[in-house]
Amino acid sequence: AQSVTQLDSQVPVFEEAPVELRCNYSSSVSVYLFWYVQYPNQGLQLLLKYLSGSTLVKGINGFEAEFNKSQTSFHLRKPSVHISDTAEYFCAAWNYGGSQGNLIFGKGTKLSVKP
Amino acid sequence: AAGVIQSPRHLIKEKRETATLKCYPIPRHDTVYWYQQGPGQDPQFLISFYEKMQSDKGSIPDRFSAQQFSDYHSELNMSSLELGDSALYFCASSDHPQTGARVLTFGAGSRLTVL
Repeated sequence: AQSVTQLDSQVPVFEEAPVELRCNYSSSVSVYLFWYVQYPNQGLQLLLKYLSGSTLVKGINGFEAEFNKSQTSFHLRKPSVHISDTAEYFCAAWNYGGSQGNLIFGKGTKLSVKP
Repeated sequence: AAGVIQSPRHLIKEKRETATLKCYPIPRHDTVYWYQQGPGQDPQFLISFYEKMQSDKGSIPDRFSAQQFSDYHSELNMSSLELGDSALYFCASSDHPQTGARVLTFGAGSRLTVL
């Protein structure tokens, strides 16, 4: 079963509008959560992470995410998007399986910002 | 700041050929990870190395092997290539975690095309 679920495969939005990309995690993974962004034909860049402390996490490029334990969610938000935010966004969770563990990704959400 | 360096960035091979991808982790990072991202897919964990020893294995085919050398660089060797091996291969590295999870820094990826 998928341990990290991104509820929307594609999200179209107009420039300067707010956006929320949804992510839910299952109890089979840890509550160490991450959002990565992948611009076209590029690698994965860390946007933000939740490891402990405040449930509201601020990241780069004006993005933030809120860890909600009761709803097992870690949704990504930005109050006003730009054309340059067009990319694919991956929610990920730390998986303790094995010796050192690894990162498990959701299926990704393609954010398309239109002028 | 130094990043994870991967080479080559692009590679084209024929079916049944062999390919080798290289990864140079961030200095003083003790763990290296390999991920495979098929077209339109999320990154899948292949294998990891901790202090030059194989740590964990994910969905790595038997035709693939990897190792980490004394200078900490890692190589992913892929033999008897199949069309389905066409993908973006990411290397990532991390240092010792300060909390319960490691934070992975990814390279730009190596795109393998099998014809």
